[in-house]
Amino acid sequence: EVQVVESGGGLVQPGGSLRLSCAASGFTFSPYSMHWVRQAPGNGLESVSAISGNGGNTYYANSVKGRFTISRDNSKNTLYLQMGSLRAEDTAVYYCAREGTPGTLDSWGQGTLVTVSS
Amino acid sequence: DVGMTQSPLSLPVTLGQPASISCRSSQSLVFSDGNTYLNWFQQSPGQSPRRLIYQVSNRDSGVPDRFSGSGSGTDFTLIISRVEAEDVGIYYCMQGSHWPWTFGQGTKVEIK
Repeated sequence: EVQVVESGGGLVQPGGSLRLSCAASGFTFSPYSMHWVRQAPGNGLESVSAISGNGGNTYYANSVKGRFTISRDNSKNTLYLQMGSLRAEDTAVYYCAREGTPGTLDSWGQGTLVTVSS
Repeated sequence: DVGMTQSPLSLPVTLGQPASISCRSSQSLVFSDGNTYLNWFQQSPGQSPRRLIYQVSNRDSGVPDRFSGSGSGTDFTLIISRVEAEDVGIYYCMQGSHWPWTFGQGTKVEIK
C-alpha cells in the first residue's frame, strides 16, 4: 500500500525555521516527483513546492520562493521541506503528495500542522 | 498563475438527487503533450484530500461510478448522479498543466 507520512510540524515564532519530513513507503520512491501542498485553517489548498524524482528539478510558489527549500533523500525514501523566515501567513496544514502520473497527485499524507505565532 | 474558478461554492443537495460542480480555468489546460491535466478531489470533514478524477474524466479505482468528470479546454464539470450521505465534503478542482499547480476555491456539498 502506498503511504506517505509527514512529520516535523509545530509552533514556531515569526522569522523562525522548521524542517518538515515526509516518509514514503509501499512504492519505489526514486522515480516519482513529490509535492508539498498546504491548507491554511478553514481555507483552500495551495501548491507550495515540487521536486523531480532525481532531485534535479525543483519548483516553488512565488509566496515561498527564497524562503523554503525542497529536497529529497532517495536512499531514505524521504522528502523534506526546509522552511525559513516564517510568517504568520505560513500557518497551515502541510501535506506531502505523490505525483503518480504527470499532472496529478494520487496519494496524500495526513498532513502536519505548522503554526507561526509569537 | 492559472486561476481556477468553481461554482457554486455551496451546494445543498437532497439525498438521491444529482449534483453538478463547474470549474473554469483562466487559460487552456491542454498540456504540450496533448493531455489535459484537470483533477477533482474530495475532502471529507477532518480528512486529507482524496483524488476522484484525473485527466478530466478518468475515475480512480474504488471511486463509485456515480461520480463523473467531463469538459475540455477551460471548462470542466464534476457530476454526482445520485448524492449519498457519504458524499458530504468539499470538492476541489486542480490543474496540473502549468506550474504552480492551482486549485479552485472548493465547493461544499451538504445534505438538505
